Amino acid sequence: QKEVEQDPGPLSVPEGAIVSLNCTYSNSAFQYFMWYRQYSRKGPELLMYTYSSGNKEDGRFTAQVDKSSKYISLFIRDSQPSDSATYLCAMSVGGSYIPTFGRGTSLIVHP
Amino acid sequence: SAVISQKPSRDICQRGTSLTIQCQVDSQVTMMFWYRQQPGQSLTLIATANQGSEATYESGFVIDKFPISRPNLTFSTLTVSNMSPEDSSIYLCSVGSGMRVTEAFFGQGTRLTVV
Repeated sequence: QKEVEQDPGPLSVPEGAIVSLNCTYSNSAFQYFMWYRQYSRKGPELLMYTYSSGNKEDGRFTAQVDKSSKYISLFIRDSQPSDSATYLCAMSVGGSYIPTFGRGTSLIVHP
Repeated sequence: SAVISQKPSRDICQRGTSLTIQCQVDSQVTMMFWYRQQPGQSLTLIATANQGSEATYESGFVIDKFPISRPNLTFSTLTVSNMSPEDSSIYLCSVGSGMRVTEAFFGQGTRLTVV
């Protein structure tokens, strides 16, 4: 079993839809949870960063962590074609520890 | 945030040859890393590039195959040596934010195809 599991997709949704992207993990020591967005032929960029459990909101994006279920989610409201990218989850046991990445989910938002 | 310039952005190389990838950061950084991203796979850490000392390699990666240099706090190189088609991948340079690697910045990547 991999430490971090993420469905590679692709996930195809119409413009304006609410998107839910998810990861599960097995290491209960993970405390830091990140979401990266990677456009085609670009490097990943940090989108959201959460410590421990709970929700964090930034504009149209909401990151949610459920440590009891070892499950994290990224919600995108009012999705736009410009949101089409690969979304990678990542998690770490500490701020100075190398994160473990998921495989990434390819999201396609069509007009 | 750090701005990372990585080059080349892509290359097609003959098997048995070597390619050196450069990573230049616009500010001094403590933590610098090299990752490999294979199609459909998660980012895999190759090594931590240490300034003034040998790089720290992850399991499955060795210095003879992936020699790394880090002459100062803004620059590093990764060489992929004696390439085979299995080395075809995207190679990414990454830096942490201070000592925090959870808030990492990435270069745009080098797309390598070995034929």
